[in-house]
Amino acid sequence: EVQLVESGGDLVQPGGSLRLSCAASGFTYKEYWMSWARQAPGKGLQWVANINKDGSEEYYVDSVEGRFTISRDNAKNSLYLQMNSLRAEDTAVYYCVKYGSKWSQFDSWGQGTVVIVSS
Amino acid sequence: QSALTQPPSASGSPGQSVAISCTGTSSDVGGYDFVSWYQHHPGKAPKLMIYEVNKRPSGVPDRFSGSKSGNTASLTVSGLQTEDEADYYCSSYAGNKREVFGGGTKLTVL
Repeated sequence: EVQLVESGGDLVQPGGSLRLSCAASGFTYKEYWMSWARQAPGKGLQWVANINKDGSEEYYVDSVEGRFTISRDNAKNSLYLQMNSLRAEDTAVYYCVKYGSKWSQFDSWGQGTVVIVSS
Repeated sequence: QSALTQPPSASGSPGQSVAISCTGTSSDVGGYDFVSWYQHHPGKAPKLMIYEVNKRPSGVPDRFSGSKSGNTASLTVSGLQTEDEADYYCSSYAGNKREVFGGGTKLTVL
């Protein structure tokens, strides 16, 4: 059974930094693209970032480009999201998401970790 | 990277059918057959219900079906059941290895 367990969410001041982690199990992690998505309070889901199988390619939504960095450690079956220069609008539940074999086929999701950006 | 457009709400009685639309552009929904739908019960992990416009993952009831015409995709839930009450989101490949979600539709089973 696929399991994705996020951690690292916290209350942080505007301008601060935070690193989210996701521990993956139940599948051959290195064989799949991975993503981060988020849901702000009262809002819909938003795709945040993609990373390819070996971590050599990264893609971001415009609003986080240059501030967030997605990375992975295939030896540790782990996914990360380094978030810098955080803004109030980054407040959200952040989900670790596994791709299937096709674009937009997000076939497994974690339970999410909460990030609150506030002074 | 604008969000796809979904109606904020939809409703139906048990046993009825309901369709939820998802409108994008030729750069996302209309340009690729990579449209997916997710069911999200608040506080739980979203669940993939449809991918590649009309394919169902194993375990998803065939009451759920998907289609696409031009820049608009649709999810149809037939034979509504109380447990279908949830938020539903569409997503689409948007080119350049990026994705976009819809704003979500709250489905109420009356």
